[in-house]
Amino acid sequence: QQQVKQSPQSLIVQKGGIPIINCAYENTAFDYFPWYQQFPGKGPALLIAIRPDVSEKKEGRFTISFNKSAKQFSLHIMDSQPGDSATYFCAASMSNGYSTLTFGKGTMLLVSP
Amino acid sequence: SAVISQKPSRDICQRGTSLTIQCQVDSQVTMMFWYRQQPGQSLTLIATANQGSEATYESGFVIDKFPISRPNLTFSTLTVSNMSPEDSSIYLCSVRLYTGELFFGEGSRLTVL
Repeated sequence: QQQVKQSPQSLIVQKGGIPIINCAYENTAFDYFPWYQQFPGKGPALLIAIRPDVSEKKEGRFTISFNKSAKQFSLHIMDSQPGDSATYFCAASMSNGYSTLTFGKGTMLLVSP
Repeated sequence: SAVISQKPSRDICQRGTSLTIQCQVDSQVTMMFWYRQQPGQSLTLIATANQGSEATYESGFVIDKFPISRPNLTFSTLTVSNMSPEDSSIYLCSVRLYTGELFFGEGSRLTVL
């Protein structure tokens, strides 16, 4: 009930490509869905987050698509750059600020020059 | 957002010793958490640090091994007690704001010999 399933586990794209990372959740009480970006040796950084009142959110080259009925959400990186090479984690929780987040297992993205 | 200072950033310790990791945040937050991240793995929640009371531990983690303090709204410590090589990991402090956003510190990389 609390799982968040993330795929793929790893992904290689060429510079300029559009990597897509997918996540699926089970708990229908979840209403906050963030993505984190983690570089080696660093803590995860909050990248972008969405709440279910919208189906899409864009911040720069990063877009979250959200499908409430399917209980799925995905991260798209437009015009990907080698500097985007990192591990990406999706997460889900209730948005009340007092809940813990459930994390996916992560996707290691490599953008080749 | 929140600025989280975590120290030490890394340490090498001998088996059987204990290490205390400190976490300081620059603003009052609703929740403070401690996570563990094994190399190449996702984030595992150790416990929720409760202000002025005992921490709430996740399954598989116990107070005797990971005592946690949170004397005020902006500061917490995690101690890794009686360390063994299996405790070698990255330990991350995180805070959740009233807005629901969760932020991480840069982590403490612990190596136990």
